[in-house]
Amino acid sequence: QQPVQSPQAVILREGEDAVINCSSSKALYSVHWYRQKHGEAPVFLMILLKGGEQKGHEKISASFNEKKQQSSLYLTASQLSYSGTYFCGTEIWGGGAQKLVFGQGTRLTINP
Amino acid sequence: GAVVSQHPSWVICKSGTSVKIECRSLDFQATTMFWYRQFPKQSLMLMATSNEGSKATYEQGVEKDKFLINHASLTLSTLTVTSAHPEDSSFYICSALDSLRYNEQFFGPGTRLTVL
Repeated sequence: QQPVQSPQAVILREGEDAVINCSSSKALYSVHWYRQKHGEAPVFLMILLKGGEQKGHEKISASFNEKKQQSSLYLTASQLSYSGTYFCGTEIWGGGAQKLVFGQGTRLTINP
Repeated sequence: GAVVSQHPSWVICKSGTSVKIECRSLDFQATTMFWYRQFPKQSLMLMATSNEGSKATYEQGVEKDKFLINHASLTLSTLTVTSAHPEDSSFYICSALDSLRYNEQFFGPGTRLTVL
């Protein structure tokens, strides 16, 4: 049930672009994206709820392809502050509530 | 945005002792809270779903008698690690579901547990 993220790690120079993919073997109803810095809790980036939906904030955006059961996170003109591990989360029902199952994470390193 | 706090932020204890971790939603009511465990360089693994006023639902492989969860109010859930052992050392993170924002989970800052 765990979504699969790719790549596992990426190293960029400041200003370069990156794409992180998240795919699931099961039907996706929504995709959540989080960024976690070392030793800190994950920070919410965005939720994509509908197939074909695209969202963005500043230079980070994401798309959701419901039919392909996948989502992609796009980081444009990356900044040093973008470094961290990115997780996608997919919703499943259990325990009386929607719960998130996270991918294994993609470690992004931005160098000056 | 919604704020979730955790206390303590870190704790070191001796093997065999019990440790309680608190998770509070500060500016919203959370009928559902989640507890995760994260080992170094690994993903967040859901341990249990905590619903206010009812028993927690544990994920497969998580011992309910070892990891006691209490969700006594709409703003507080506690996780007690009983008879802790060194292999329980990990980063424990809670999250709270804000039902007014579609299934958006807000994470606490985490508690780093080290069992000697």
